[in-house]
Amino acid sequence: EAQVTQNPRYLITVTGKKLTVTCSQNMNHEYMSWYRQDPGLGLRQIYYSMNVEVTDKGDVPEGYKVSRKEKRNFPLILESPSPNQTSLYFCASSLSGRERNTGELFFGEGSRLTVL
Amino acid sequence: AQSVTQLGSHVSVSEGALVLLRCNYSSSVPPYLFWYVQYPNQGLQLLLKYTSAATLVKGINGFEAEFKKSETSFHLTKPSAHMSDAAEYFCAVSNQAGTALIFGKGTTLSVSS
Repeated sequence: EAQVTQNPRYLITVTGKKLTVTCSQNMNHEYMSWYRQDPGLGLRQIYYSMNVEVTDKGDVPEGYKVSRKEKRNFPLILESPSPNQTSLYFCASSLSGRERNTGELFFGEGSRLTVL
Repeated sequence: AQSVTQLGSHVSVSEGALVLLRCNYSSSVPPYLFWYVQYPNQGLQLLLKYTSAATLVKGINGFEAEFKKSETSFHLTKPSAHMSDAAEYFCAVSNQAGTALIFGKGTTLSVSS
């Protein structure tokens, strides 16, 4: 089954404790991206990757890191989480990011993170 | 810069009634437009997309949207609401660089029996 898998789905942590949210897709997609969803703000892009070893900042990258060492994996790293990073996080992938993105974005089921 | 505005954060309809969710866009280039649906505790699922072909776009679950350039609108409609349509709906536009979708703030659709 074609899917984007995120882990963990739920996490409660404390300020400053490094964490990683993993994302894996099995569709051989080139493009991957992370979004955060906050009430009343919709989804905002954190980082994206056009292909392996190619990553770039989205609209709200502060406090986050990413890496793309393999095509299928795109982990989101919070080096020192703070309460304002409490949010619902979505990983998404698309077949190609080389042209204007007309393709469908496939989303994971989300990771709800609470930072105390 | 590209942006979308969804008019109405909450829309309530009765089962069997027309569903109309409004989306207006701003784009400096011909837009690529999308509607996504999010059911509780799930990720987003594509309902339909407009990529400069037919202006009336049909999607899944009986939804359709019409691209109107003169009104810069891409409203989502369904002739007859079903209880299972209750969800949050997001309109989105592709940014000029093709590196992101810019999402609206979402509209929650409630369906009553």
